[in-house]
Amino acid sequence: QVQLQESGPGLVKSSETLSLTCAVSGGSINGYYWGWVRQPPGKGLEWIGYVYYNGVPNYNSSLKSRLTISVDTSRNQFSLNLRSVTAADTAIYYCARVKGDSTFDYWGQGILVTVSS
Amino acid sequence: QSVLTQPPSVSGAQGQRVTISCTGASSNIGAGHDAHWYQQLPGTAPKFLIDSNNNRPSWVPDRFSGSKSGTSASLAITGLQAEDEADYYCQSYDRSLGGEIFAGGTKLTVL
Repeated sequence: QVQLQESGPGLVKSSETLSLTCAVSGGSINGYYWGWVRQPPGKGLEWIGYVYYNGVPNYNSSLKSRLTISVDTSRNQFSLNLRSVTAADTAIYYCARVKGDSTFDYWGQGILVTVSS
Repeated sequence: QSVLTQPPSVSGAQGQRVTISCTGASSNIGAGHDAHWYQQLPGTAPKFLIDSNNNRPSWVPDRFSGSKSGTSASLAITGLQAEDEADYYCQSYDRSLGGEIFAGGTKLTVL
């Protein structure tokens, strides 16, 4: 059974960089896309982006200028860096495995990240 | 503004049947991309529920079904149970945007 676990700071200051890591266990990174989805408190889901196991990313165009998603196959994990954050970036951040048909089939439990001024 | 549209809420009595629509466009569902449905119980992460080809994980009962027609997809739930009360999200790939999109979600209330 594939399991994903997000980790990182729960509080980030405005204008700084939000950095999260997702550890994958119970399966290999190879052959899949690995993505991030966020959910502002009380609101819906927003796709942030994903990275293929070979390192090729695809980002939400609205976040692209601030975003880097990378993968470390040797550690079976992938990471998110979102620069110049504002209060609008406050959300629960989920990592997920994404199949080739765009199914987000496994999700992490999520981590709440609050951006403070 | 999401390019996939769901009703904000639906409700039904226990044992009844409800459907949740997901209206897309010619650049996503209408282009042949599958729609995927996720169930999010209160305070938990979303879970993949079913897709528009009616493929579902083993934990999902066959009371849930998925379909699509034209630029829209639908999730049907028969024999509603109290445990089905949750938020449901539709998701697909959009070729104009070059990425994934989620609809705004539908809150299902079981009366």
